[in-house]
Amino acid sequence: DAKTTQPPSMDCAEGRAANLPCNHSTISGNEYVYWYRQIHSQGPQYIIHGLKNNETNEMASLIITEDRKSSTLILPHATLRDTAVYYCIVRVKDSGTYKYIFGTGTRLKVLA
Amino acid sequence: NAGVTQTPKFRILKIGQSMTLQCTQDMNHNYMYWYRQDPGMGLKLIYYSVGAGITDKGEVPNGYNVSRSTTEDFPLRLELAAPSQTSVYFCASSRVANNNEKLFFGSGTQLSVL
Repeated sequence: DAKTTQPPSMDCAEGRAANLPCNHSTISGNEYVYWYRQIHSQGPQYIIHGLKNNETNEMASLIITEDRKSSTLILPHATLRDTAVYYCIVRVKDSGTYKYIFGTGTRLKVLA
Repeated sequence: NAGVTQTPKFRILKIGQSMTLQCTQDMNHNYMYWYRQDPGMGLKLIYYSVGAGITDKGEVPNGYNVSRSTTEDFPLRLELAAPSQTSVYFCASSRVANNNEKLFFGSGTQLSVL
């Protein structure tokens, strides 16, 4: 079963910040949170990941709550090209190996 | 580097036919994964491999088989195709998993079983 919960859809005005929430209340102490996005039916594209500290890269910022039960992906200035399905993923360790378990994602629509 | 390459991009099968979805990566990654994505849904893990000669089941392995004879290749085999296997299949890879590793995905294979 997926270990993350996300809203099914969100809208955002072009040029505004898009804040995508994710709940991962059962996350373990050493499990990372990853964010990917999927445009149309292409292969998912990596955005960012983190363990407990906030992270920022050229694409986005990741804010993780202190108790690590939830996180927020921030796209600071959304463009029409950011319209996609965004997946919050927990990388789990199972019998010594790592697996990435996807949820159903949030469909973000950026509006002109 | 080409990254992760999947073939074919599209395929239509009749019920009961068999086929192999090919996946190869040129990044010398140890970990490889097969996912399926049904319309409007997220990705479900079918099988994964942590290195040549080692494979293991994911969330939805029934009806599929895999092999990993080399580091580069991770083919997915459907023996008796069923309509329930109509889906988009994605192959992915990563280096030996550590704190900074991430998945690289192929462009997918769209399979219809009629």
